[in-house]
Amino acid sequence: DTEVTQTPKHLVMGMTNKKSLKCEQHMGHRAMYWYKQKAKKPPELMFVYSYEKLSINESVPSRFSPECPNSSLLNLHLHALQPEDSALYLCASSRATVGDEQYFGPGTRLTVT
Amino acid sequence: AQRVTQPEKLLSVFKGAPVELKCNYSYSGSPELFWYVQYSRQRLQLLLRHISRESIKGFTADLNKGETSFHLKKPFAQEEDSAMYYCALSLIIQGAQKLVFGQGTRLTINP
Repeated sequence: DTEVTQTPKHLVMGMTNKKSLKCEQHMGHRAMYWYKQKAKKPPELMFVYSYEKLSINESVPSRFSPECPNSSLLNLHLHALQPEDSALYLCASSRATVGDEQYFGPGTRLTVT
Repeated sequence: AQRVTQPEKLLSVFKGAPVELKCNYSYSGSPELFWYVQYSRQRLQLLLRHISRESIKGFTADLNKGETSFHLKKPFAQEEDSAMYYCALSLIIQGAQKLVFGQGTRLTINP
């Protein structure tokens, strides 16, 4: 398996809902990433996990809560989101924790109503 | 501040013509730079990285530290090259990698 998978593909949630995004890779990669991408903009880094430990949090609001239960799985828990959080959320992974190619998933298209 | 600039949002060339997508960076250390590409309805993927010095799909990119540039070039464009191209700078923060992307250039190859 040489791909990063993300579920769900699309998600619509209200501002009071709690939902989670899931990302999986079975390539033995040691670093995993969450990015947010707004329309016609580049991806912006949110979180980085290295060896299942949170290494970088780009001052993301606490309504986004990442979790890395094991080396293959990365979750993003969402609670009390705002409409401006609507975006494409991308997951990526890399073999090494630094200086390596990142493999991206197809993304989850999130709409907050 | 570390920054990547891609001055052209849109670039349109004819098939068979040379292509150059510009990328300039701002970084005080020794940069590690990548070009990522996103074809229509496909995921973002690596095109090439400067340390490998490879040619992928006919594209090359040379790091010019004097001009702080990492322009992407191809001598003869093909229609399948139409895509969104991002230049990215890799930073090491607390032992982990952060990619800083430029704003992207949408390349269209006309038949």
